[in-house]
Amino acid sequence: KAGVTQTPRYLIKTRGQQVTLSCSPISGHRSVSWYQQTPGQGLQFLFEYFSETQRNKGNFPGRFSGRQFSNSRSEMNVSTLELGDSALYLCASSTTGYEQYFGPGTRLTVT
Amino acid sequence: QKEVEQDPGPLSVPEGAIVSLNCTYSNSAFQYFMWYRQYSRKGPELLMYTYSSGNKEDGRFTAQVDKSSKYISLFIRDSQPSDSATYLCAMSAIRRGGSNYKLTFGKGTLLTVNP
Repeated sequence: KAGVTQTPRYLIKTRGQQVTLSCSPISGHRSVSWYQQTPGQGLQFLFEYFSETQRNKGNFPGRFSGRQFSNSRSEMNVSTLELGDSALYLCASSTTGYEQYFGPGTRLTVT
Repeated sequence: QKEVEQDPGPLSVPEGAIVSLNCTYSNSAFQYFMWYRQYSRKGPELLMYTYSSGNKEDGRFTAQVDKSSKYISLFIRDSQPSDSATYLCAMSAIRRGGSNYKLTFGKGTLLTVNP
């Protein structure tokens, strides 16, 4: 089976812009979670989608949003980018919820 | 107090050594315990997961969970240079209704195995 894929792999944006990141889960996985990884805070949970519904959200501002499509593919959007949003954004898919398989991530740099 | 604490290291060992990696946690609701390996500039790779207390072995890797002490460990036997990576522990609680939805991670331990 193909693994989790994320596009784009690298992105450079300027403050105030918005960005959309995409994630394609492993075939058959209906749960998709998003995480932000930074050197200072480590891996932090953003939100999780299952069957197009957001089941839970982490402690991030409303500028961070996501959605899931009927084919389980997911997107996350960050509006009004700030310098502190520079991070590796990771998507993970799962059937069980706890056994999560990660993609390679999208490295976002905000200048 | 952070929910999950993990010594960031770095940890440097000679090839063939036994490596012990550990995490402590404060949330007694955690029931699933995972170990991930992350190479530089890659996404985390799931190594092992265990449910509740006990041991689990997979090749050179052994995971241990002691819920009474809120302490989990990962042992790597006969360590190899290819084991050099950051190791992350992660935990999940069982949500009402049976579905898990969120992993809480330690910050990771950087391991270097020297040839």
